[in-house]
Amino acid sequence: QQPVQSPQAVILREGEDAVINCSSSKALYSVHWYRQKHGEAPVFLMILLKGGEQKGHDKISASFNEKKQQSSLYLTASQLSYSGTYFCGTEGGSNYKLTFGKGTLLTVNP
Amino acid sequence: DTGVSQDPRHKITKRGQNVTFRCDPISEHNRLYWYRQTLGQGPEFLTYFQNEAQLEKSRLLSDRFSAERPKGSFSTLEIQRTEQGDSAMYLCASSFRKRARTNTGELFFGEGSRLTVL
Repeated sequence: QQPVQSPQAVILREGEDAVINCSSSKALYSVHWYRQKHGEAPVFLMILLKGGEQKGHDKISASFNEKKQQSSLYLTASQLSYSGTYFCGTEGGSNYKLTFGKGTLLTVNP
Repeated sequence: DTGVSQDPRHKITKRGQNVTFRCDPISEHNRLYWYRQTLGQGPEFLTYFQNEAQLEKSRLLSDRFSAERPKGSFSTLEIQRTEQGDSAMYLCASSFRKRARTNTGELFFGEGSRLTVL
């Protein structure tokens, strides 16, 4: 079942923060985050495994609440290069494939 | 190694024709996935291989779609009797996983093959 992402789109000024949410109605084993720029392939950001861990990658971090089947991606002090569509991909315990959400379009303006 | 490569990058065909896409994964990767992406949507799972074994195929796929991965290296995705609804970007991704029945891991995507069915 496809995870639900919110918001669908967000516009920021450089230096502002943003949060992108991903929720699933099914029990999750892992949540993955990818960024895709227009006309390019999706690029891996991070994986979060069940256990409520939080990860960071430069000024991008994420959390995973397995009890709520939710994950959030935090972008702090956004840069122009952060612009793109962010997808979460979820994976159940016995599924070995990612089911992606519809994406969140992030636009960072100068 | 320059990453996952896909060929052709663009394909325009008439309805009813057959098309084939090729994917060359990163050389040491043993797992290979095919996804389909339409405008404004996330990638949709089609099938995946662990080495040469096709372990899962989406129930959404009709029998017109077939994929192979001979010798566990490159993979081909064939669509027979194409329909306008098949128009999409077909993405290939690869990863390395030691065991067949384990989570996906980090995926490395190719730039995709864009199919337009007239």
